[in-house]
Amino acid sequence: DGGITQSPKYLFRKEGQNVTLSCEQNLNHDAMYWYRQDPGQGLRLIYYSQIVNDFQKGDIAEGYSVSREKKESFPLTVTSAQKNPTAFYLCASGQGEGGYTFGSGTRLTVV
Amino acid sequence: SQQGEEDPQALSIQEGENATMNCSYKTSINNLQWYRQNSGRGLVHLILIRSNEREKHSGRLRVTLDTSKKSSSLLITASRAADTASYFCATAPNTGTASKLTFGTGTRLQVTL
Repeated sequence: DGGITQSPKYLFRKEGQNVTLSCEQNLNHDAMYWYRQDPGQGLRLIYYSQIVNDFQKGDIAEGYSVSREKKESFPLTVTSAQKNPTAFYLCASGQGEGGYTFGSGTRLTVV
Repeated sequence: SQQGEEDPQALSIQEGENATMNCSYKTSINNLQWYRQNSGRGLVHLILIRSNEREKHSGRLRVTLDTSKKSSSLLITASRAADTASYFCATAPNTGTASKLTFGTGTRLQVTL
């Protein structure tokens, strides 16, 4: 079955630590996206990529980094510069002007 | 930035009733989409309506779009307990392809037996 896989489902980060969230898709979609969702809130765009080896900052990119070395993969690193990283992170992919397909999310907690 | 604002923020209805959610946005769009999110899960795409369309149906869902008022509504008819979820509108800008969507703040729908 085609879809998007995010891992891990739950992640705990210590102060000052970098962590990487995985996002893999087998839908052959060109575009991939990372969103952050805080409790009771909508989604805010962190980074997006429309093609391999290219990505753009979204509305809240500070403290995050991404790479797009393969079409199938778009990992997100939450760096120590992100002062409030506790949130639910959602990865999505899309093709053309159609709807997105979302992964099931990673819940990141600072301990 | 939040392009869309949903109204109401929360809605509680009984099974069998209709649920209506509204979305307002600020800039010109290529299309508007509605998504559903069950608690703690990813979003699921429900329906897409293009800027030159006024109404669209899919099963028990009916979406309208009024570009002059920059607003859309989602109607769920004959609601079921399984419809309990948060619903988000998302807008695609009127430029380019593989458009990055901007999501609204969502409406939390509770359907009780």
